[in-house]
Amino acid sequence: AQSVTQPDIHITVSEGASLELRCNYSYGATPYLFWYVQSPGQGLQLLLKYFSGDTLVQGIKGFEAEFKRSQSSFNLRKPSVHWSDAAEYFCAVGAGNNDMRFGAGTRLTVKP
Amino acid sequence: ETGVTQSPTHLIKTRGQQVTLRCSSQSGHNTVSWYQQALGQGPQFIFQYYREEENGRGNFPPRFSGLQFPNYSSELNVNALELDDSALYLCASWSSGANVLTFGAGSRLTVL
Repeated sequence: AQSVTQPDIHITVSEGASLELRCNYSYGATPYLFWYVQSPGQGLQLLLKYFSGDTLVQGIKGFEAEFKRSQSSFNLRKPSVHWSDAAEYFCAVGAGNNDMRFGAGTRLTVKP
Repeated sequence: ETGVTQSPTHLIKTRGQQVTLRCSSQSGHNTVSWYQQALGQGPQFIFQYYREEENGRGNFPPRFSGLQFPNYSSELNVNALELDDSALYLCASWSSGANVLTFGAGSRLTVL
């Protein structure tokens, strides 16, 4: 069965520092992988996605993620965090549009 | 900028009542999914509709039901509300061209 684990419930970084959010997945075939961001009281906004090809994918707002099949990971990174990046981040796995599985999320706090 | 709109944004019901949540998805998106997001959790797949037929369902009881209409709108109905049904309910439409789910801002249901 497909599943997603986000090991870090809450991360705090200083503004301008680098960021890495971890995501591990379990899936029987080649997964579709996604990162979404959710601000308080809002829906989910897609940051980036991986289906195939280049394992380093670029997204919006300066985010990138690297797919590592050997580690079943899809970690999200940003070289320099801005205060506006404070939000909840969700990793998700699926085979398409049906039954996408989300992790429990990582809450990012940005210190001034 | 999302093309998926949901109503109402907030509502309060009492245990045992019934609720209908509405969603208007993007034109041309034939697939709509509904997710339940409890506080502090990631979204959980409820079910999906394609061309007005349910074609996928998560681990939710039959008192969760839905409808999809030809004008790309849909409904989520929940009967016999329980306290644990309190959550943010997210509607998402699938873009087969981009292979992504686009989420609405959600309807926050509180059951007292």
